[in-house]
Amino acid sequence: DIVMTQSPESLAVSLGERVTINCKSSQSVLYSSNNKNYLAWYQQKPGQPPKLLIYWASTRDSGVPDRFSGSGSGTDFTLTISSLQTEDVAVYFCQQYYGTPWTFGQGTKVEIK
Amino acid sequence: EVQLVESGGALVQPGGSLRLSCAASGFTFDSYAMTWVRQAPGKGLEWVSAISASGGTPYYADSVKGRFTISRDNSKNTLYLQMNSLRAEDTALYYCAKDLYYGSGSYLAVWDYWGQGTLVTVSS
Repeated sequence: DIVMTQSPESLAVSLGERVTINCKSSQSVLYSSNNKNYLAWYQQKPGQPPKLLIYWASTRDSGVPDRFSGSGSGTDFTLTISSLQTEDVAVYFCQQYYGTPWTFGQGTKVEIK
Repeated sequence: EVQLVESGGALVQPGGSLRLSCAASGFTFDSYAMTWVRQAPGKGLEWVSAISASGGTPYYADSVKGRFTISRDNSKNTLYLQMNSLRAEDTALYYCAKDLYYGSGSYLAVWDYWGQGTLVTVSS
């Protein structure tokens, strides 16, 4: 199984500041035949289901604000919120879809300082 | 508008069975793979099972293989999860989710729409 490890587990950031969340996979999720990274990011607010933010490591889903961006390749990935808003308070999960079983990171909780 | 509505969750004793349902609307159900993901109380997300758009090629997490069966009725726009030999560690909120890409036999395993979940509690 591909193990996804996120860091930090939680962080508190002031409104308007940058947030950086890291995700590391136990093996590469870069598929050489199409040069795509099989990595997605989800946001989960309290009491709500997860919401897809980013797939292919850096493609924002429809309607996702452009303050959210994804980067990285191979085994190391980053989700960045360029300017934290109150509505961004949530837990963020990375997920690999390179191979079954499809696996998630343990989550990173983002709060307002 | 895409809607996914899960039902069937309940309190059940260890060793018991349940069947979860997920009623889908707002999209061409038989064109998309579907999946079940669960979340234990206060914990992270665990993928459980997936089924292709045509109903073939199911996949299961090792933790449920041999005990859970995924199926779908494309004529009723409904996804199912038959859960047998339930254990305490199966206690979770079970979400159904729709695959991002369409295709009769394929999975992308990126999920763009999720239901609100149905709670399964396994306890004596």
